[in-house]
Amino acid sequence: TQLLEQSPQFLSIQEGENLTVYCNSSSVFSSLQWYRQEPGEGPVLLVTVVTGGEVKKLKRLTFQFGDARKDSSLHITAAQPGDTGLYLCAGPDSNYQLIWGAGTKLIIKP
Amino acid sequence: NAGVTQTPKFQVLKTGQSMTLQCAQDMNHNSMYWYRQDPGMGLRLIYYSASEGTTDKGEVPNGYNVSRLNKREFSLRLESAAPSQTSVYFCASSRTGWGNQPQHFGDGTRLSIL
Repeated sequence: TQLLEQSPQFLSIQEGENLTVYCNSSSVFSSLQWYRQEPGEGPVLLVTVVTGGEVKKLKRLTFQFGDARKDSSLHITAAQPGDTGLYLCAGPDSNYQLIWGAGTKLIIKP
Repeated sequence: NAGVTQTPKFQVLKTGQSMTLQCAQDMNHNSMYWYRQDPGMGLRLIYYSASEGTTDKGEVPNGYNVSRLNKREFSLRLESAAPSQTSVYFCASSRTGWGNQPQHFGDGTRLSIL
């Protein structure tokens, strides 16, 4: 069974700090997606990483796919209150359906 | 452009009651999904429809049924609600059923079973 484990489960930091959250598996994934979910809303796609070692940047957010395609990280530089939310990673299983990590709940305090 | 629309947004049921959650998408997507989200457990797939006319079980299908009414609409039915079905339910759609396709979500239905 493919599983995605996200860490930490919860992170609360001050505005302006940097942070990294992780999405790990013992299985190889063909791709991984990162979503952000705000309270009372559904998840919204941030990025898809496909190639081992790939790095994608979205403003202050940097996403990396591990060389072996078993893990991914999200690094936020100079976090802002607008970055607050639940960050979810997801990847396709052998039936081509997405399996999801439990998420990292991020709070950025002003 | 509404995207994915779910109704109702909130619902309280008594154990044993039935109800149908409605979902419609206006993006001409082929595939649609129903998930439930519980604290600390992420999103779990209940049922999905890879294309109009097909439905398949996901990870947690027991106690639920679905209908792909047409390309736009995909409903989820609880025949006899149980407290364990208290959750937030999300409908999503994607252009195709391949797992690398981004999924677009509605804002969820918050369901409480007393």
